Amino acid sequence: KNEVEQSPQNLTAQEGEFITINCSYSVGISALHWLQQHPGGGIVSLFMLSSGKKKHGRLIATINIQEKHSSLHITASHPRDSAVYICAVTFGNEKLTFGTGTRLTIIP
Amino acid sequence: EPEVTQTPSHQVTQMGQEVILRCVPISNHLYFYWYRQILGQKVEFLVSFYNNEISEKSEIFDDQFSVERPDGSNFTLKIRSTKLEDSAMYFCASSSGVGYEQFFGPGTRLTVL
Repeated sequence: KNEVEQSPQNLTAQEGEFITINCSYSVGISALHWLQQHPGGGIVSLFMLSSGKKKHGRLIATINIQEKHSSLHITASHPRDSAVYICAVTFGNEKLTFGTGTRLTIIP
Repeated sequence: EPEVTQTPSHQVTQMGQEVILRCVPISNHLYFYWYRQILGQKVEFLVSFYNNEISEKSEIFDDQFSVERPDGSNFTLKIRSTKLEDSAMYFCASSSGVGYEQFFGPGTRLTVL
């Protein structure tokens, strides 16, 4: 079965802290996506990657294909980063298979 | 910047009624998707659509569900006879190709009473 696991489920941190959210998957994938879901429910794509590392502003995503693992890092976290972060993968077809999400709360 | 739009933002309906959820994908995209998220649960794939036909559907997408691209811009999800368990947030997404980033709409919250 194609599984996507995320940890932690919930994360609370102080403003300015370095944040790491982890994602692991059970079988080979064609791509991994990191998504952000705001309290209102909307979903925004942050990264799509199939190897290596990508950076956008304070966000960094890495993937290790051999270990079937990806991490999302946030540097200098800010209260506006508070959201649910979702890992999703494609297994060679178009559809996304989603993890359960990590609820991040940044306290001022 | 182009975006996916969805209407309505919130739909309340009685059990057994038909609902149509509407989406306008990004104009040059070719692949269209519907996902749903039951409150407190993870997002689940419903159906993908390409070249005017369903390319893949999940077990959730039974005979009560259908999708259509009635014109060059809209992409609709119809639920023929809604059940209480259909209450969820429904997201439309589009992409320019397989293996490309998917762009999500803001979602339609469906409440079945």
